[in-house]
Amino acid sequence: KAGVTQTPRYLIKTRGQQVTLSCSPISGHRSVSWYQQTPGQGLQFLFEYFSETQRNKGNFPGRFSGRQFSNSRSEMNVSTLELGDSALYLCASSLVGTTSEQFFGPGTRLTVL
Amino acid sequence: QQQVKQSPQSLIVQKGGISIINCAYENTAFDYFPWYQQFPGKGPALLIAIRPDVSEKKEGRFTISFNKSAKQFSLHIMDSQPGDSATYFCAASQYHGGSQGNLIFGKGTKLSVKP
Repeated sequence: KAGVTQTPRYLIKTRGQQVTLSCSPISGHRSVSWYQQTPGQGLQFLFEYFSETQRNKGNFPGRFSGRQFSNSRSEMNVSTLELGDSALYLCASSLVGTTSEQFFGPGTRLTVL
Repeated sequence: QQQVKQSPQSLIVQKGGISIINCAYENTAFDYFPWYQQFPGKGPALLIAIRPDVSEKKEGRFTISFNKSAKQFSLHIMDSQPGDSATYFCAASQYHGGSQGNLIFGKGTKLSVKP
């Protein structure tokens, strides 16, 4: 079974631009969560989607948004990029049920100049 | 406010030794405690996980010990190998609505196993 895939793997943007990152979950997984990883703050939860609905949201500004499609694929968007948004953005998928382990993709490395 | 505290920040162990990483949590509502392993350039990979109704779980060379009263849990890597050199993260979450979606992570421990 293929793992979680994320595109693109690397991205360079300038301040003020916006960016869209994509995540395809493991086949059969219906829940997708997004995390930001930085050296200073570590791994921080952004939001979780299930059945095209945001179920949970972390403590990030409104510039960070996401959505999920009917095939469980998810996108996250960051508008008006700031230097501090440079990070590894990770997507994790999980089954909804008894175990609910989260499986992470390789991430998208975003650099904001 | 950090809800999961992980120590040590870095760890050097000789090949064949035991690596021990500790985590402490604050929220008594947490009911799922996974450990992740991350290599440079890769996403975190689920290593082993435990729920609070169990005090210990072992999978191969990896063991989680869980102390509910102390609100602490730890990862033990037996017979540590150079290939185990990676960053390890503990995490915790609370079940809701059919998912453990909101993982709270520790800051990570960079493990180096010397040959």
